[in-house]
Amino acid sequence: SQTIHQWPATLVQPVGSPLSLECTVEGTSNPNLYWYRQAAGRGLQLLFYSVGIGQISSEVPQNLSASRPQDRQFILSSKKLLLSDSGFYLCAWSEERGGISYNEQFFGPGTRLTVL
Amino acid sequence: DAKTTQPTSMDCAEGRAANLPCNHSTISGNEYVYWYRQIHSQGPQYIIHGLKNNETNEMASLIITEDRKSSTLILPHATLRDTAVYYCIVSSNNQGGKLIFGQGTELSVKP
Repeated sequence: SQTIHQWPATLVQPVGSPLSLECTVEGTSNPNLYWYRQAAGRGLQLLFYSVGIGQISSEVPQNLSASRPQDRQFILSSKKLLLSDSGFYLCAWSEERGGISYNEQFFGPGTRLTVL
Repeated sequence: DAKTTQPTSMDCAEGRAANLPCNHSTISGNEYVYWYRQIHSQGPQYIIHGLKNNETNEMASLIITEDRKSSTLILPHATLRDTAVYYCIVSSNNQGGKLIFGQGTELSVKP
């Protein structure tokens, strides 16, 4: 069966510090991968998605970046965090079969980031 | 993606059916209707999806109107653990699997 891991679960970082959040998926190959952010009391915002190694699409301009160094690894980074980067960060994966991207997405447990 | 409209909140008595409506009047012919839910402090959970036929699985039923402009998610026997925010999303399968989440409906199941 497939599983998705995210770490750390919680993180408190000062403004201006760097960030690296990691997400890995097990039990599937060539998944589509996604990073979402959820600010307090608000809906999910899609930040990045990837359909393959080294292929990253950005949905929202910001000081965050994403990378996919391996098939089942997705990393969210920032060189300098802002107060507005606080939120609940969720990684998700979905299956692609025969060139079709299926929209049943499976989410990880999330990372709660507080920037002070 | 087509936009959806959902009530902000709903209440349901434990053991009764919860019927969550969603309007998607601008849905395109190749777009599916997806439902997810998010329990507090957890990641969203896929529930069900459909194109034009009604669908049922172990979690819920999805009723899509004939003109596909609206749908209803039915939880047949709501429990306290079904308290969550429910998201209705429309999306096609040729957009890299992207989902655009709205504000959803906050369902409170009460004893």
